[in-house]
Amino acid sequence: AQSVTQPDIHITVSEGASLELRCNYSYGATPYLFWYVQSPGQGLQLLLKYFSGDTLVQGIKGFEAEFKRSQSSFNLRKPSVHWSDAAEYFCAVAFNQAGTALIFGKGTTLSVSS
Amino acid sequence: EPEVTQTPSHQVTQMGQEVILRCVPISNHLYFYWYRQILGQKVEFLVSFYNNEISEKSEIFDDQFSVERPDGSNFTLKIRSTKLEDSAMYFCASKSSAGFTDTQYFGPGTRLTVL
Repeated sequence: AQSVTQPDIHITVSEGASLELRCNYSYGATPYLFWYVQSPGQGLQLLLKYFSGDTLVQGIKGFEAEFKRSQSSFNLRKPSVHWSDAAEYFCAVAFNQAGTALIFGKGTTLSVSS
Repeated sequence: EPEVTQTPSHQVTQMGQEVILRCVPISNHLYFYWYRQILGQKVEFLVSFYNNEISEKSEIFDDQFSVERPDGSNFTLKIRSTKLEDSAMYFCASKSSAGFTDTQYFGPGTRLTVL
C-alpha cells in the first residue's frame, strides 16, 4: 500500500543550527512530493513540491528538499534555523491522477531552542 | 493573498448530533477537499469534490458524511450522527485546476470535539 513515513515525531534544534527532516514513501513509481508547514492556529502552508527534473528543489522561507529515488526519500533541509521556524512539518505525496488526494505523513514537530 | 477560511474554529457537540463544518475556498478554485487529523495521527484524506459532485472519497467517508456546495462560495461537510471517534481537526482545501502542478491551499481547520 502507498504510505508516507516521517520517522521523527519531535526534533529540537538550536537557533542558527542546520535542520533536516526525514520523509520516506512507499510506492512503485515516482510520486509527486510536497512539504507543508503548520504553525499553531494556521492552515497547512506549502513549503515546496517536486514533480520532475532537478532533484533538489527550493522552497519558501529558505527551505530546500532533495528527492532521492534510490532511498525513496524526500528530506527537508534548512541551513540555519530561526526561532520562527518552530512548527509542525508534514510530508505529503500524491500518487494518482489529476485532482486527487494527498497522502500525508504523521508530521514532525520542530522546536527551536535559543 | 487569497486564503481558505473555515468556520467555526472549534465545535463541540454531543454524540449522535449532526454537525456542519463550513469552508469558503479561494474564489476561482474548482477542486475542493476535506481532510481530517485525529489527535496524534496522520492527516487523512476524506473526499474531493469537483463540478458539483464527489470525484474521490476514502474509506473513512461513509454514509454518515456528506458534502455540498450550497452556493457559489461555501463548501460544507456534514456529519449526520457524530461518534466519539469523529473528534478531530477537519481541514478544507481547494485547488484552481487539475494536475499536480497546482497547489492545494488549506484552511486553518475546525476542531470538532464530540462528547
